Amino acid sequence: EDQVTQSPEALRLQEGESSSLNCSYTVSGLRGLFWYRQDPGKGPEFLFTLYSAGEEKEKERLKATLTKKESFLHITAPKPEDSATYLCAVNNAGNMLTFGGGTRLMVKP
Amino acid sequence: EAGVAQSPRYKIIEKRQSVAFWCNPISGHATLYWYQQILGQGPKLLIQFQNNGVVDDSQLPKDRFSAERLKGVDSTLKIQPAKLEDSAVYLCASSRWMLDSYNEQFFGPGTRLTVL
Repeated sequence: EDQVTQSPEALRLQEGESSSLNCSYTVSGLRGLFWYRQDPGKGPEFLFTLYSAGEEKEKERLKATLTKKESFLHITAPKPEDSATYLCAVNNAGNMLTFGGGTRLMVKP
Repeated sequence: EAGVAQSPRYKIIEKRQSVAFWCNPISGHATLYWYQQILGQGPKLLIQFQNNGVVDDSQLPKDRFSAERLKGVDSTLKIQPAKLEDSAVYLCASSRWMLDSYNEQFFGPGTRLTVL
């Protein structure tokens, strides 16, 4: 059974304080690891897809990396508007997404 | 491009009542998903459609939940009868052809269900 574990569950940062979110996974036949951002009262919004170990993708202050067992979402010099829940999900050989529990990020000015 | 539409946005019902949610996916998206997201947790897939056929419904509680996607476009998810533990946000998502490894899913805003 596919499993995705995210840590920490919650993270408080000061504006400008860089940090990383972790996503550990076990999956039968990885066909992609996805990062989504979810704001309160809204559906998840797509950020990145990573397909193979060693791959990296960047978008503004966010950088996602992938190894064979985990993925990291690095946040550089975060701003209050980066506050949200960040969800990690794996896509298996059956084209189903399994989500982790998410990391709730709060960035204080 | 219009996003995934869902209605209603909020619903409050008594336990043992029935409720239905509606979803209209992005135009041209063949695959449609229904997820259940309990407060503080990640979304859990309930059912996946490819056009108007069910691809996977292994996590759908079939004794009380049902879903259909007539004509391969919009979809409805029904709960009958509802239980207290069904309180959650029900998310609909759509994507292009499922065999596309990119498989980015676009989510609607969700329907927040409260069962009293």
